[in-house]
Amino acid sequence: DAKTTQPPSMDCAEGRAANLPCNHSTISGNEYVYWYRQIHSQGPQYIIHGLKNNETNEMASLIITEDRKSSTLILPHATLRDTAVYYCIAREYGNKLVFGAGTILRVKS
Amino acid sequence: GAVVSQHPSWVICKSGTSVKIECRSLDFQATTMFWYRQFPKQSLMLMATSNEGSKATYEQGVEKDKFLINHASLTLSTLTVTSAHPEDSSFYICSARAGLGTNEQYFGPGTRLTVT
Repeated sequence: DAKTTQPPSMDCAEGRAANLPCNHSTISGNEYVYWYRQIHSQGPQYIIHGLKNNETNEMASLIITEDRKSSTLILPHATLRDTAVYYCIAREYGNKLVFGAGTILRVKS
Repeated sequence: GAVVSQHPSWVICKSGTSVKIECRSLDFQATTMFWYRQFPKQSLMLMATSNEGSKATYEQGVEKDKFLINHASLTLSTLTVTSAHPEDSSFYICSARAGLGTNEQYFGPGTRLTVT
């Protein structure tokens, strides 16, 4: 599976959109982009995933560039409860999830 | 949604003893379960993958004789840390996948192990 690169940390004001970038320049055509988050001392929580098209669900939106070399996770109205470590993972269907360092998102009031 | 539980949520044990951690899929049958370990301020590290009814596959550098994994049923996997030492103190997290035709992994809440 392709390696992903994320900024180590980001801050966001409560109520504003949080845009978390992820670089996956070596991603292959069979690899999906997955996003998970981990709130302190809890297990990871699935957020969203996509292959080529942009995706949206009740939690977030995922924007994937046309060349698929990068993506952005958007939390439209961040709350204090969104403070967590966010992991971007590129993986082929059925492969195991391998976590990188992730981005620490701090939502501040 | 799919729910995975772990028991206990935290445990303290003495050095040299063994500790068993259970991972259960509550509302689905998990043909594959995964065990991760997470040290403070670090990411999750995959330890092993277990398929129901067969031996676990361990990641490089993980001692299979120290971390015993059993996946005897479609809803239960156990991780036993044998002869625990203080350096085994960590956050252990399991996840489960429903079947070969599915891709989603559902994570348990984790178990905090402290070895004194």
